[in-house]
Amino acid sequence: DAMVIQNPRYQVTQFGKPVTLSCSQTLNHNVMYWYQQKSSQAPKLLFHYYDKDFNNEADTPDNFQSRRPNTSFCFLDIRSPGLGDAAMYLCATSGGQGDYEQYFGPGTRLTVT
Amino acid sequence: AQSVTQLGSHVSVSEGALVLLRCNYSSSVPPYLFWYVQYPNQGLQLLLKYTSAATLVKGINGFEAEFKKSETSFHLTKPSAHMSDAAEYFCAVNEAGYQLTFGKGTKLSVIP
Repeated sequence: DAMVIQNPRYQVTQFGKPVTLSCSQTLNHNVMYWYQQKSSQAPKLLFHYYDKDFNNEADTPDNFQSRRPNTSFCFLDIRSPGLGDAAMYLCATSGGQGDYEQYFGPGTRLTVT
Repeated sequence: AQSVTQLGSHVSVSEGALVLLRCNYSSSVPPYLFWYVQYPNQGLQLLLKYTSAATLVKGINGFEAEFKKSETSFHLTKPSAHMSDAAEYFCAVNEAGYQLTFGKGTKLSVIP
């Protein structure tokens, strides 16, 4: 089945230690998104890629970076995680060009100790 | 600018009773509207979507929603709640771009 895959599902990192979260997709979609979701809140868009074009949300902290080396993969890098960065991180994709439905992965739960 | 309001952060229903989750939106253009469900420690799963075709939209797991332009609403209903429906539900709006704006979510509890 075509899908969005996130690894790992659970990640524990130390305060200030860089961490990378991974997302891959088999849908061949043009657009990939990263969301942060804190407990009992709605997902908050951090950034998205349309193909290789990177689009950062205005209020996304500089501590969050992303890479998309090819159509299938996208990474979220947190350079110096703080306690406030503990959250669920969701990756999503959409086809672009009039296809606006977003397909979500299962998420990565990040804990910062 | 697009926005979504979900009335009621928590809704409780008895098993077998009607489920009604309310969503009102604001949009400057004809919107695309979505309902997603999220189970604990899971991603979001699409229940149904409105994309300017039929105003009554049927989704998975027996859910449906009706787009009412005059009321700017897109309420989610299910005739008979099941225990497995207990989850958090998000309404979202998209103005034909890449920004999906979510409501704050409604947590549904189903009482046996």
